[in-house]
Order: sequence, then C-alpha cells, then structure tokens
Amino acid sequence: ETGVTQSPTHLIKTRGQQVTLRCSSQSGHNTVSWYQQALGQGPQFIFQYYREEENGRGNFPPRFSGLQFPNYSSELNVNALELDDSALYLCASSFGGMETQYFGPGTRLLVL
Amino acid sequence: GESVGLHLPTLSVQEGDNSIINCAYSNSASDYFIWYKQESGKGPQFIIDIRSNMDKRQGQRVTVLLNKTVKHLSLQIAATQPGDSAVYFCAENIPGNQFYFGTGTSLTVIP
Repeated sequence: ETGVTQSPTHLIKTRGQQVTLRCSSQSGHNTVSWYQQALGQGPQFIFQYYREEENGRGNFPPRFSGLQFPNYSSELNVNALELDDSALYLCASSFGGMETQYFGPGTRLLVL
Repeated sequence: GESVGLHLPTLSVQEGDNSIINCAYSNSASDYFIWYKQESGKGPQFIIDIRSNMDKRQGQRVTVLLNKTVKHLSLQIAATQPGDSAVYFCAENIPGNQFYFGTGTSLTVIP
C-alpha cells in the first residue's frame, strides 16, 4: 500500500507569483483534502475533492483553487501569493469525505 | 464560527505515567472526531477516531472519550513513552465535509 506523497517538499516564491502543489493519494482512496498549517498552529481546512469535484471548502479566498484527476491525485494552486501564504501545505486522502484522513509529509512554502 | 480548542497548550508527563489531553468543540452538529499526532517535520498521523453515536473508544494504549453534553473530547494515553512526545490535535468534522483542527497540545515525556 502506497502512502500519501506530496511534491515538492520545499518551495520559495515571491509575492504576486503563482504556485502549484501536488499530491498523490493513498492507494484505494478517492478523496483528497488540502490544509494550510502556519507555524505553531493547527491545520486549517482549505477544501476537499471527491471524484474530481469540490466537496467542501473552508474560509479561503478564490485565489486558492484545486483540481482532482481521474487517478485521484490532486493539485493545489495559489495565485497572487502573499507573505501570509507562507506555511506548510498538507494533503490528506481518504475513502470518502467522512472517513479517516491520512496525511502526506507536506510542502513547505516560503513567500518572500 | 466553528472552533476547536485545547485547554492546555503544553503537557509534561513522566515516562510510564498516563497522559490526558483535552479538547473542546463548539459545533453541536459535529458528528465525527479524530485525534492526530504530529512530530516535528512530519504530517499529522492518525491515532484514533470516534463518531458522535459513541462516547468511548479504545485503541492500543489510547482511549478517546466524547462528552456531547459539554462538547468535550479527551485523549488518554496509557503508560506514556518517550516516543509519544509530539503535538496532539483534535479535529472535528461538521456536515458539509469540513474538518476543523484545534491549535494543538505539545506533549513532552520526561524519561
């Protein structure tokens, strides 16, 4: 069984740029959720994708968008980066939206 | 808005003692709760979960208690070991497929 993987592990961008983060779900899982974790804080829910459709969204602006592909992998896109977007971005997969989520190691994004 | 909070931000326990980590939630519609452990530089790791139709669930060395009357969740770790040192988060799922995490409690096990 393959766990959740994320790429890249680290990324440095400048304000105003755009970024794409990638996530491969655990084998057999059809749902991917994305979280933003600022230093010293708990993960904040961004959105969830189930069978290629957005299936729930947290309190994040529209410049945070996502995709899920037929193989259930997913992308998180952030446009017009701001300094406060610097955080650890976590992806979690599950079999269904209400089921246990298994997290990847995260992508650490630094916006300068 | 929804909030999931922890009573104690830090907890230190002696190796071999039992640990109790508490969590308060505010949304009475929450129907699924999870405890996660996060070690430095890693993603959260699932520990145990509980649904709202239960008030207690046990795993290996861990027990989760849910008190819906006072909207309180606790994680009990028996015979705490140095490897249990980490930040522990409770998370709640509310209808609409939204998960909310608390701020976290840092557990330090003293050898």
